[in-house]
Amino acid sequence: QKEVEQNSGPLSVPEGAIASLNCTYSDRGSQSFFWYRQYSGKSPELIMFIYSNGDKEDGRFTAQLNKASQYVSLLIRDSQPSDSATYLCAVYQGGKLIFGQGTELSVKP
Amino acid sequence: DTGVSQDPRHKITKRGQNVTFRCDPISEHNRLYWYRQTLGQGPEFLTYFQNEAQLEKSRLLSDRFSAERPKGSFSTLEIQRTEQGDSAMYLCASSSRGQGKLGEQYFGPGTRLTVT
Repeated sequence: QKEVEQNSGPLSVPEGAIASLNCTYSDRGSQSFFWYRQYSGKSPELIMFIYSNGDKEDGRFTAQLNKASQYVSLLIRDSQPSDSATYLCAVYQGGKLIFGQGTELSVKP
Repeated sequence: DTGVSQDPRHKITKRGQNVTFRCDPISEHNRLYWYRQTLGQGPEFLTYFQNEAQLEKSRLLSDRFSAERPKGSFSTLEIQRTEQGDSAMYLCASSSRGQGKLGEQYFGPGTRLTVT
């Protein structure tokens, strides 16, 4: 079992829809969770972090954390073509980030 | 903040040659990380520093890889006797000393290494 797992996609949604990206992790003791966006050929960009169970909203982005289920998700409301990218889930463990393989999101105009 | 910078952005080398990459972190950040990313995968941890001390090195990292951060500012990553399997994007990231902020890592643009 991988430490951090994501569906690789691609996930395709129409413009204006809600995109839902999911991530599970194996270490029950993990405390900090991050979402990065990575455009093709570019480096990862931090867009959200969440430490507590529940929802955290920032603009069109909502991160959701359920530690009991070891599940993190990212919702993107009113998806735009500019949101088309790979979204990486990361878990902070012992001084470093452990990344999933990323989910490719495509927003169709 | 000027962000994390890396140099060079691209490097093409022949198998067996040595290469060295440089990373300059965000100025007030005391932690610096190196990751490697191959196509279709998430970044993979290599090593990290707190100030000038190297705190952890991945077991996946062979003895051909070495990293330094001599004055607690910029860092270098050297790969000796490069192999084709070393071809990847090498990413540097830094984070603040603030409690709870260690996981908030900010990445540089990366150095893309191609070994021919």
